[in-house]
Amino acid sequence: NAGVTQTPKFRVLKTGQSMTLLCAQDMNHEYMYWYRQDPGMGLRLIHYSVGEGTTAKGEVPDGYNVSRLKKQNFLLGLESAAPSQTSVYFCASSYKGLVTDTQYFGPGTRLTVL
Amino acid sequence: GQQVMQIPQYQHVQEGEDFTTYCNSSTTLSNIQWYKQRPGGHPVFLIQLVKSGEVKKQKRLTFQFGEAKKNSSLHITATQTTDVGTYFCAAVHGSGNTGKLIFGQGTTLQVKP
Repeated sequence: NAGVTQTPKFRVLKTGQSMTLLCAQDMNHEYMYWYRQDPGMGLRLIHYSVGEGTTAKGEVPDGYNVSRLKKQNFLLGLESAAPSQTSVYFCASSYKGLVTDTQYFGPGTRLTVL
Repeated sequence: GQQVMQIPQYQHVQEGEDFTTYCNSSTTLSNIQWYKQRPGGHPVFLIQLVKSGEVKKQKRLTFQFGEAKKNSSLHITATQTTDVGTYFCAAVHGSGNTGKLIFGQGTTLQVKP
């Protein structure tokens, strides 16, 4: 099993450009999450999904959109990138999203917006 | 909203010294999870605590959940260079089975050989 994979690993954008980050998991997990990690701020939840075809807002959703068309994939989109979105983005998944479930993280995408 | 405060933000120790990081919440937590992130890596689950006053051990790591379920700690005995990384606590946000976690800011541990 590959676990949770993310593409791309690195990306540099100019302000105003758009891009999509792809997260894929092969563990048949129902729940998937997108986080951003900034120095000194831990991980903050952007959006999450409790199953195929569903999405919900997390702590910091503004400027991002997501889609979960297939159970194994969770896409994060930036329509018009801003320098404030420079960050490391992590995708995670869990089996059922139960309070006792472990979250499995992907390797991360390092995004720089100039 | 619910917040989880973690201290200290950074800790430098000599190899062989002990290390402790603390996690505090203003609200009662249903459970708490601990993750470790190596430099340049991704968070990896370490352990989960559910019961009031619970203590769990993993080799040199000791995890504790407070009696009031508002705080938790991770203690490493006799640190090694392999312990280097950032340790995060994470608490379940809200009620029900949403699976959303609120992460502390993390404690970054540096170990001098």
